[in-house]
Amino acid sequence: AQSVAQPEDQVNVAEGNPLTVKCTYSVSGNPYLFWYVQYPNRGLQFLLKYITGDNLVKGSYGFEAEFNKSQTSFHLKKPSALVSDSALYFCAVSPLDSSYKLIFGSGTRLLVRP
Amino acid sequence: NAGVTQTPKFQVLKTGQSMTLQCAQDMNHNSMYWYRQDPGMGLRLIYYSASEGTTDKGEVPNGYNVSRLNKREFSLRLESAAPSQTSVYFCASSESNLGAFFGQGTRLTVV
Repeated sequence: AQSVAQPEDQVNVAEGNPLTVKCTYSVSGNPYLFWYVQYPNRGLQFLLKYITGDNLVKGSYGFEAEFNKSQTSFHLKKPSALVSDSALYFCAVSPLDSSYKLIFGSGTRLLVRP
Repeated sequence: NAGVTQTPKFQVLKTGQSMTLQCAQDMNHNSMYWYRQDPGMGLRLIYYSASEGTTDKGEVPNGYNVSRLNKREFSLRLESAAPSQTSVYFCASSESNLGAFFGQGTRLTVV
């Protein structure tokens, strides 16, 4: 079965420190990989995607993600966290079938304390 | 530039009532989706429409029906609402595997 795992329900980090939000996936082939962010009472906003090429992809708001094919992981990172980064983060994969649908992880709440 | 627009934003239903959630996109996307979001479970796909005129079941289709009215609009219907359908519903659209655009969500409570 195709699945996405986000092993941490919540990540706590101090402002100015680096942050990592973990994601692993179990999907056949070479899926496209995504990170979305959700602020309270809002829809999901696209952060970044990996399709092919360089394993480190850069996205919005200073976020980046590292793809590791052997570990089937796609961890979200940011060198210096901001309080305004506090939100719910979702990892998603697109299995490259004709539906273009996304399979989501359960989400990780990031809390950045001042 | 509205993107994906969902109506209503909030709704309270009694068990057994019916309702239709509306979704429209103005990006000329071929594919549209309905997801539900529940705490600790991420977003789960209810139904999707890969192109105008086609619809398919997703992960959790029971209790729902959909209509792809035209390329812009994709509605989700609850024929007989149940408390288990209390959730936040998101509509999304995409043109390819390059990512989806989401509406602001509909918060539905079934009492």
